Amino acid sequence: GDSVTQMEGPVTLSEEAFLTINCTYTATGYPSLFWYVQYPGEGLQLLLKATKADDKGSNKGFEATYRKETTSFHLEKGSVQVSDSAVYFCALTFTGFQKLVFGTGTRLLVSP
Amino acid sequence: DAGVTQSPTHLIKTRGQQVTLRCSPKSGHDTVSWYQQALGQGPQFIFQYYEEEERQRGNFPDRFSGHQFPNYSSELNVNALLLGDSALYLCASSGGTGRIGANVLTFGAGSRLTVL
Repeated sequence: GDSVTQMEGPVTLSEEAFLTINCTYTATGYPSLFWYVQYPGEGLQLLLKATKADDKGSNKGFEATYRKETTSFHLEKGSVQVSDSAVYFCALTFTGFQKLVFGTGTRLLVSP
Repeated sequence: DAGVTQSPTHLIKTRGQQVTLRCSPKSGHDTVSWYQQALGQGPQFIFQYYEEEERQRGNFPDRFSGHQFPNYSSELNVNALLLGDSALYLCASSGGTGRIGANVLTFGAGSRLTVL
């Protein structure tokens, strides 16, 4: 079945460091890909998305590029802030179905 | 815009009991989905409701059931609770299939269920 694999956390960084969180997927067909973020005590918030190969999603300094050849959607940010500390989830879905398949999440801890 | 609201935020039950969780979708949304998020795990899809009918279902037993009302709000019911049902239950709403952005979900903050 369809699945998403994320790098295990926690990822611990100092403020202004470069961030990469790896995400790969297995799916029949060509899904849409998402990154969601979950802050403590809150629900999931959509961070960015990409709906087809080579699309780049971006938001709040975060970026991810849909790579069909490597079935990957790695999340990057050039300079993290303490306020970016949260759990990040990679997910996929197929248009018209809306069921999201999530990875297990990666916790990011950013220290001043 | 109040977004997706869920109630209760926390609750404690004992094994064998039944629980009902409630969800009000974001204004303008007509589709509601429920997810179970166990501690340290990603959310798992339970089911989705549209036009008051269950449209999709994940790999969950029949103990998990739901309902959608004419105002698009929804309930999740779990019978014969097990310890393993302890989790954060997330409700998400969206604008229905076939429309641009239909597969972008708005999540609520969740209902945390503890089964003792």
